[in-house]
Amino acid sequence: NAGVTQTPKFRILKIGQSMTLQCTQDMNHNYMYWYRQDPGMGLKLIYYSVGAGITDKGEVPNGYNVSRSTTEDFPLRLELAAPSQTSVYFCASSSGQITDTQYFGPGTRLTVL
Amino acid sequence: GNSVTQMEGPVTLSEEAFLTINCTYTATGYPSLFWYVQYPGEGLQLLLKATKADDKGSNKGFEATYRKETTSFHLEKGSVQVSDSAVYFCAAAKAAGNKLTFGGGTRVLVKP
Repeated sequence: NAGVTQTPKFRILKIGQSMTLQCTQDMNHNYMYWYRQDPGMGLKLIYYSVGAGITDKGEVPNGYNVSRSTTEDFPLRLELAAPSQTSVYFCASSSGQITDTQYFGPGTRLTVL
Repeated sequence: GNSVTQMEGPVTLSEEAFLTINCTYTATGYPSLFWYVQYPGEGLQLLLKATKADDKGSNKGFEATYRKETTSFHLEKGSVQVSDSAVYFCAAAKAAGNKLTFGGGTRVLVKP
């Protein structure tokens, strides 16, 4: 059981480039989330999805886009990368009940130079 | 919306010492409360949780009690080990979308 997987593990981008961070879960969870973690800080929610075809903004959505075409996959797209997007990105999934655990992927460390 | 405040680190302890990490929350209604742990180079994993007032979550020797009166969910462990060195995050779940609001994290370093 792989749980939540993310690719790539590391990436360096130049300012203005774009990329997609991949996230896949095999737990048949309806809810999926993208967070960013800045050095020494807690996690902030970028976007989330409550099911295939349904996405919504979190606290810090600017500069990002998401899509959810299947239950398993929830890619995060960065357009026109900026240094402020240098961070560690975590994907998570849950079954959606308020009492439920969120399961996190191992993270993608992104540096924008 | 929810907000979570936890004590800043780093917290440095000797092995077998007592650990407390304070966490308080503000929320409308009664959120579920969680402690997540992040070991070096890894993602977050659930340590324990409590879903209603006066519930006590426990795991791996760690405990936390959901205190509605003081809006707190302090994490405790009676005797820490070097392997407990990690960053600990307190979090509150909002019903709509089960969105988590995290505290800033507390880095704990346990020395032999």
